[in-house]
Amino acid sequence: DAKTTQPPSMDCAEGRAANLPCNHSTISGNEYVYWYRQIHSQGPQYIIHGLKNNETNEMASLIITEDRKSSTLILPHATLRDTAVYYCIVRVRGAGNMLTFGGGTRLMVKP
Amino acid sequence: DGGITQSPKYLFRKEGQNVTLSCEQNLNHDAMYWYRQDPGQGLRLIYYSQIVNDFQKGDIAEGYSVSREKKESFPLTVTSAQKNPTAFYLCASRDRENTEAFFGQGTRLTVV
Repeated sequence: DAKTTQPPSMDCAEGRAANLPCNHSTISGNEYVYWYRQIHSQGPQYIIHGLKNNETNEMASLIITEDRKSSTLILPHATLRDTAVYYCIVRVRGAGNMLTFGGGTRLMVKP
Repeated sequence: DGGITQSPKYLFRKEGQNVTLSCEQNLNHDAMYWYRQDPGQGLRLIYYSQIVNDFQKGDIAEGYSVSREKKESFPLTVTSAQKNPTAFYLCASRDRENTEAFFGQGTRLTVV
């Protein structure tokens, strides 16, 4: 699995958009970008994934650069409940192989 | 409801004792995973299993053992050989073809 780099922490004002960056410069052509988040003392929760096109669901939007070397997770209107650690992972889709997490970004949403 | 269940939520053991953490899923998922998380750190993979009766070591398997006798169950034993067993343990599962991994709520193990 390709290595990812994320800032260790970020702050965001409640109601504003939270933009969480992820660098994955060694990503290969068949690797997807996945995002999970972990609220304190709970299990991680899947948010969104994409290959090369931008994706949007009810939770967030995922913007992947044209060269696929970086991506941004966007929470359009952050709430206090979005305070969590956000993990960016790149891996090949399918197959029950290893699922490796890095350190993630600790997002603090402030009133 | 379908999901993945870890039990117990909190577990205390004396140093030198083996302890087994339970993970059960009714999602009919092929792959199951065990992770360890230390305070302020990310998740580190201990063991994973892609099918019944088969499992592979992750990055930090020393001092741990697993079994996969049934598709729905993947128990983790923390042995006395694990030097620092106090941690938050997370179990996950995913379908062979699906992309999304589902996590349990974790077991917080404290060894005194």
